Amino acid sequence: AQTVTQSQPEMSVQEAETVTLSCTYDTSENNYYLFWYKQPPSRQMILVIRQEAYKQQNATENRFSVNFQKAAKSFSLKISDSQLGDTAMYFCAFVVPWTNAGKSTFGDGTTLTVKP
Amino acid sequence: EPEVTQTPSHQVTQMGQEVILRCVPISNHLYFYWYRQILGQKVEFLVSFYNNEISEKSEIFDDQFSVERPDGSNFTLKIRSTKLEDSAMYFCASKSDSVVYGYTFGSGTRLTVV
Repeated sequence: AQTVTQSQPEMSVQEAETVTLSCTYDTSENNYYLFWYKQPPSRQMILVIRQEAYKQQNATENRFSVNFQKAAKSFSLKISDSQLGDTAMYFCAFVVPWTNAGKSTFGDGTTLTVKP
Repeated sequence: EPEVTQTPSHQVTQMGQEVILRCVPISNHLYFYWYRQILGQKVEFLVSFYNNEISEKSEIFDDQFSVERPDGSNFTLKIRSTKLEDSAMYFCASKSDSVVYGYTFGSGTRLTVV
């Protein structure tokens, strides 16, 4: 069974600074996908960024980037130039699309607060 | 951008009552899911649905739960006899095919059982 661990329940950062959220996972699979989702106070789940395990290049989406270390099974999210609107809960998720009907396994989440 | 639509956004029900949560997935998506999030906790998988049948369900998804795609557009989650511990946010999600590009989540239905 796959597990996803987010070791930081809460984090805070000053506006315009950079913050890194950590995520580790455990799997015996070689091909899989990793995601970061953002859940603002509205509680909607929003896809932030996606990484395919077979790609060595780290994914980047504007101010969001990941540091994917496959051997270490680590998938951290870096938010640059933090904005007040980045305040949210962030979930790391793991999927092996060809098994288990493509269901996602989520970490416990990290609550990020961006301070003005 | 296409959306997954969930209704209602908030439902309050008495313990023991039946509730139906509704979802309209993105029209060309083939895989449908329900997830649950108890307040302050992680998102938990409930059930996946493909080709008009359940493809997988979790331990949470017991006989009190059922899903249906009655008309090719709606995807519903029914809880037959609600319990206090069913109070949670319920998310519907869909995706297009077996190659994952990430789910598209609905905005959720907050279910409160009193």
